[in-house]
Amino acid sequence: EVQMVESGGGLVQPGRSLRLSCAGSGFTFGDYTMHWVRQAPGKGLEWVSGISWNSGRIDYADSVKGRFTVSRDNAKNSLYLQMSSLRPEDTAFYHCAKDVSPFCSGGSCYGSDYWGKGTLVTVSS
Amino acid sequence: DIQMTQSPSSVSASVGDRLTINCRASETIYNYVSWYQQKPGKAPSLLIYYASYLQRGVPSRFSGSGSGTDFTLTISSLQPEDFATYYCQQTYSALRTFGQGTKVEIK
Repeated sequence: EVQMVESGGGLVQPGRSLRLSCAGSGFTFGDYTMHWVRQAPGKGLEWVSGISWNSGRIDYADSVKGRFTVSRDNAKNSLYLQMSSLRPEDTAFYHCAKDVSPFCSGGSCYGSDYWGKGTLVTVSS
Repeated sequence: DIQMTQSPSSVSASVGDRLTINCRASETIYNYVSWYQQKPGKAPSLLIYYASYLQRGVPSRFSGSGSGTDFTLTISSLQPEDFATYYCQQTYSALRTFGQGTKVEIK
């Protein structure tokens, strides 16, 4: 059974940093592009970042570029999101998600077929 | 960035109704659109990818159509478990933007 489990969320002050993790299981983690998608409470989905299977391609939404860094460790079946200079508007549930097809990165790919339940990040003083 | 505009933002419907949700891209995305269903407190669930391909395990009452810039998600006969929020997402660009969502409520 495919599973993704996020961890690392919590309450953090504006300007501080936080690192999220996502542990994948039930599939060959190292074959798939992975994504972070966030959802502010009561709001819609916002794509945050994607990293290809071999970390050769990394993309960020404009809203987080320069502040967030995505990485992965395929040996540990894990995805990470290092968040710095956090702002109140970064408050959201952060989900990791797996691509439908292996070895597709960047554009012209399909959607995300498995998602974690998310971890809540609250940025507040 | 490619913008995705969904309509309507919310709709009230009855069990058994046929429902369509629309999504328009700000530029051509060929067939690279996915549709998701999200229920309160849950992660999104993939329904359709590449505009019209039904994800494994999704009921056949869900279908997708369109190409270029205009896309449609259709539910042929609404069931009680279909009352949820639906999102489109373009996967043509590496920056995979979502529509703002359509909330389907019980009339």
